[in-house]
Amino acid sequence: LAKTTQPISMDSYEGQEVNITCSHNNIATNDYITWYQQFPSQGPRFIIQGYKTKVTNEVASLFIPADRKSSTLSLPRVSLSDTAVYYCLVGSYNQGGKLIFGQGTELSVKP
Amino acid sequence: DSGVTQTPKHLITATGQRVTLRCSPRSGDLSVYWYQQSLDQGLQFLIQYYNGEERAKGNILERFSAQQFPDLHSELNLSSLELGDSALYFCASSALTGGHGYTFGSGTRLTVV
Repeated sequence: LAKTTQPISMDSYEGQEVNITCSHNNIATNDYITWYQQFPSQGPRFIIQGYKTKVTNEVASLFIPADRKSSTLSLPRVSLSDTAVYYCLVGSYNQGGKLIFGQGTELSVKP
Repeated sequence: DSGVTQTPKHLITATGQRVTLRCSPRSGDLSVYWYQQSLDQGLQFLIQYYNGEERAKGNILERFSAQQFPDLHSELNLSSLELGDSALYFCASSALTGGHGYTFGSGTRLTVV
């Protein structure tokens, strides 16, 4: 499973767009990139997943450059309720299937 | 409600004791995963079961064991508990062995005193 590196923490203000970048230099051909969100004392929640280029859903966008060695989670117009830890995971999930979480990025949204 | 049910939500017990945590996966999901989250260790993968069989093992202590029953619910047994076992224990489920779309439960908070 490819190792990921992301900032430990980020601060933002309500209404701003937040971009969290994740590095995964050793990503394999079959690997997908998945982002999870976790609020204190709650289980992680799936946000978005992609393989290449751009993926968008009602919550976020995921940008993946052609070399796939990094990815950026974009949260548009954040609110206080977006304060959480965001995890970037990389894996093919075809062999064993376990999710390996890194330290994540603690996002703090201020009024 | 994520569809993954964990019981109990809170558990307080003494050192040396044994506890059982229960997880009911989302309807239709065959894979169950157990994770431990403590303040200093982050989210640690413990073990995975797929349709009743152990599929993958992580950093699970020998004092811990798990199983998945024919109705697909899973139990995590923690014995000879130590203060350091105090943590949040999460269960997740997915439809395939691997694949996408993991759903986590709300966790069991274990406090060992």
